[in-house]
Amino acid sequence: KNEVEQSPQNLTAQEGEFITINCSYSVGISALHWLQQHPGGGIVSLFMLSSGKKKHGRLIATINIQEKHSSLHITASHPRDSAVYICAGRSGNTPLVFGKGTRLSVIA
Amino acid sequence: EAQVTQNPRYLITVTGKKLTVTCSQNMNHEYMSWYRQDPGLGLRQIYYSMNVEVTDKGDVPEGYKVSRKEKRNFPLILESPSPNQTSLYFCASRPNPGTSTYEQFFGPGTRLTVL
Repeated sequence: KNEVEQSPQNLTAQEGEFITINCSYSVGISALHWLQQHPGGGIVSLFMLSSGKKKHGRLIATINIQEKHSSLHITASHPRDSAVYICAGRSGNTPLVFGKGTRLSVIA
Repeated sequence: EAQVTQNPRYLITVTGKKLTVTCSQNMNHEYMSWYRQDPGLGLRQIYYSMNVEVTDKGDVPEGYKVSRKEKRNFPLILESPSPNQTSLYFCASRPNPGTSTYEQFFGPGTRLTVL
């Protein structure tokens, strides 16, 4: 069965810090999604990647296929980055398998 | 604007009273799905649909029904709701593989309380 594990579960950072959230997944998962869930509950898709690295503004996502590991980095963190970050794996067109999420709080 | 809409956003109901949560997308996506989110358990898939008239069970389908008569709509039906179905529900859609973008779009969520 495909599985996705995230770490840490909770993370508190000072404004301006560089943040890393990790996601490990099982064999069979061919693509990783990173999602952001705002305090109000809405979910936004940040990245989908199956190899290499993607960047959008202060967010960077990387994936290492051999090690079955993905990371989400936030540079120059800001209180508005406070949210739950969720990674989700997929194999082909199968349903997504979700991690439990990482709750990030960025303090001014 | 490309979006997934859900209605209602909030609902309080009583055990056994049938209800439907609607979901609609305007992006011509083939794939739609329903999830529930519970504290400590994360997002879990209820049902999904690969295209019109094609639906399949996810991880937690018990107590739910779905239908996909049109591409844009994917309603979630609770025939006889029970308190353990109190949860936050999300509808989502994405294009099938092979398209230029494979991003998953989520609706705003429906917070359901069953008394």
